[in-house]
Amino acid sequence: AQTVTQSQPEMSVQEAETVTLSCTYDTSESNYYLFWYKQPPSRQMILVIRQEAYKQQNATENRFSVNFQKAAKSFSLKISDSQLGDTAMYFCALLQARQLTFGSGTQLTVLP
Amino acid sequence: ETGVTQTPRHLVMGMTNKKSLKCEQHLGHNAMYWYKQSAKKPLELMFVYNFKEQTENNSVPSRFSPECPNSSHLFLHLHTLQPEDSALYLCASSQRLGLAGGRLREQYFGPGTRLTVT
Repeated sequence: AQTVTQSQPEMSVQEAETVTLSCTYDTSESNYYLFWYKQPPSRQMILVIRQEAYKQQNATENRFSVNFQKAAKSFSLKISDSQLGDTAMYFCALLQARQLTFGSGTQLTVLP
Repeated sequence: ETGVTQTPRHLVMGMTNKKSLKCEQHLGHNAMYWYKQSAKKPLELMFVYNFKEQTENNSVPSRFSPECPNSSHLFLHLHTLQPEDSALYLCASSQRLGLAGGRLREQYFGPGTRLTVT
């Protein structure tokens, strides 16, 4: 079975600062994908960034980057220059075979 | 319309009612999904359709009945629901689910239907 764990239910960060959200996962597969999704108060689930397990290079998307540690099964999200619009619930997710498994989420609040 | 759309956005129904949730994707995808999101719980995968064929049913009660008439539309028919079924129901789509060795694709989500069962 695959599991995804987000151990930080809530976090806050000052506007323009950097914050890191943690995620660990467990899988017996070698071929899988990892994602971070963002769910703002509007409830629309938005894909933030993706990482293929076979790629060693960490994915980046503008102010968002990941630290993918395959051996440790860790996949953290770093948000640089935080903006008020980044306030949302962030979900880490593991996709393998035919199933996408989500973590329980981290509520991030960006403070003005 | 672009992306994944869901209607209605909000639904209140009694336990004896029958209603349907609709999802439509405009992304040319071949796989569609229903998820349930309850307060303080991770998203729960309910059903998966790959090329209109149901490939996953994660022990969902029979009071939830999915229907996928084509690769662009997905319905969730509801009947005799319970108050604990109140939740946000999210639809998602992706490119075709890979066979062994096939390429896996990220899912794109609709805005959800907020369901309240009274």
